[in-house]
Amino acid sequence: AQKITQTQPGMFVQEKEAVTLDCTYDTSDQSYGLFWYKQPSSGEMIFLIYQGSYDEQNATEGRYSLNFQKARKSANLVISASQLGDSAMYFCAMRETYNQGGKLIFGQGTELSVKP
Amino acid sequence: DTGVSQDPRHKITKRGQNVTFRCDPISEHNRLYWYRQTLGQGPEFLTYFQNEAQLEKSRLLSDRFSAERPKGSFSTLEIQRTEQGDSAMYLCASRLSGQPTDTQYFGPGTRLTVL
Repeated sequence: AQKITQTQPGMFVQEKEAVTLDCTYDTSDQSYGLFWYKQPSSGEMIFLIYQGSYDEQNATEGRYSLNFQKARKSANLVISASQLGDSAMYFCAMRETYNQGGKLIFGQGTELSVKP
Repeated sequence: DTGVSQDPRHKITKRGQNVTFRCDPISEHNRLYWYRQTLGQGPEFLTYFQNEAQLEKSRLLSDRFSAERPKGSFSTLEIQRTEQGDSAMYLCASRLSGQPTDTQYFGPGTRLTVL
């Protein structure tokens, strides 16, 4: 069964510094997608970044980058130049193979706190 | 381009009452998903629709839960005879199938409290 593991319940980072949020996954599928979402206290899940299993380069979106290590089954999120507004819950998720409807499987999340 | 909207944002009900939530997806999105998120956990899949067809239901979706998407646009999730264990955030997401990233876009959620 597919599974996402986020081992850091909470992380602190100083404003303007970089931070890495860990995510490991387990799947026997060859084709899959990995996502990171941000959830502020308001509750909405905000899409940040996507990495496909066949993508050879690590995904980047502005200050977000995904450190994809396929052999180690890890997909860590790197946030550069942290801002106070980055304080939120962060969820790593995996999409099942296409023919199974594309539902997402989420990890338990990491709460990031950015200190001024 | 409006995002996914959900109504109501908050619902407080007494045990045993029925509740209904609504989700309006992004207009051109043909797939719509419902997830449930309890405190301190990641969202868990409940069900999804492709257009008006409900194609998959999680075992989490007991027979007290029913979801519809009558015209392939908005969707409703009804919980009958609510229990305290139903207290959670109910999230709706939509996407357009066949896109390279298959990204799901979420609404703000409906937070249900069952007293």
